[in-house]
Amino acid sequence: SYVLTQPPSVSVAPGTTAIITCGGNNIGSKSVHWFQQKPGQAPVLVIYYDSARPSGIPARFSGSNSGNTATLTISRVEAGDEADYHCQVWDSSLGVFGGGTKLTVL
Amino acid sequence: QVQLVQSGAEVKKPGSSVKVSCKGSGDSVSGYAISWVRQAPGQGLEWMGGIIPTLGSVIYAQKFQGRVTISADESATTAYMELRSLRFDDTAAYYCTRGKAPDAFDIWGQGTMVTVYS
Repeated sequence: SYVLTQPPSVSVAPGTTAIITCGGNNIGSKSVHWFQQKPGQAPVLVIYYDSARPSGIPARFSGSNSGNTATLTISRVEAGDEADYHCQVWDSSLGVFGGGTKLTVL
Repeated sequence: QVQLVQSGAEVKKPGSSVKVSCKGSGDSVSGYAISWVRQAPGQGLEWMGGIIPTLGSVIYAQKFQGRVTISADESATTAYMELRSLRFDDTAAYYCTRGKAPDAFDIWGQGTMVTVYS
């Protein structure tokens, strides 16, 4: 089965850039979706189809995908961005999630 | 704007079954695919399977094959997830969400906490 690998945690200072990776075999050939999840809440879609932003998601959130790594980039990080971030792909019509990354804003 | 509203929290004994519902509010779920995703305490998200209510087409993750049934009512306004032979490690928040391959899950239910407790 297809496996997605995320770092368990990323820590950054406010105003800097957070980069969260999602690794998978030839993930660049798949479409990657990213979700933000705050404690006690349901996930929220922040990036779809590698780099598209849903309505209402700030332009500070961006995504890319190539080779064996997809990346979620959050520019000018704010305290309110502190959350868990999950990447997701479809593999032969089966949903696959990464293990999630906890973003801490120092 | 469609919302997904799930049934309330459940406490179950090991070996029993649980059935969680997911109703589309503001629109039915009939025109969409619904997936079920669970999250054990402190853990990541885990896709369990999905259904396209109007087609009756269902697909399951291999891990849950034989133990889970995903269905929808005849009017296709409500989707269901039934998990059988519950174990302690089935304790988790269970979410329904709208989306199918290759699209993203764009709308999520509020989650239903299922606790397996003896």
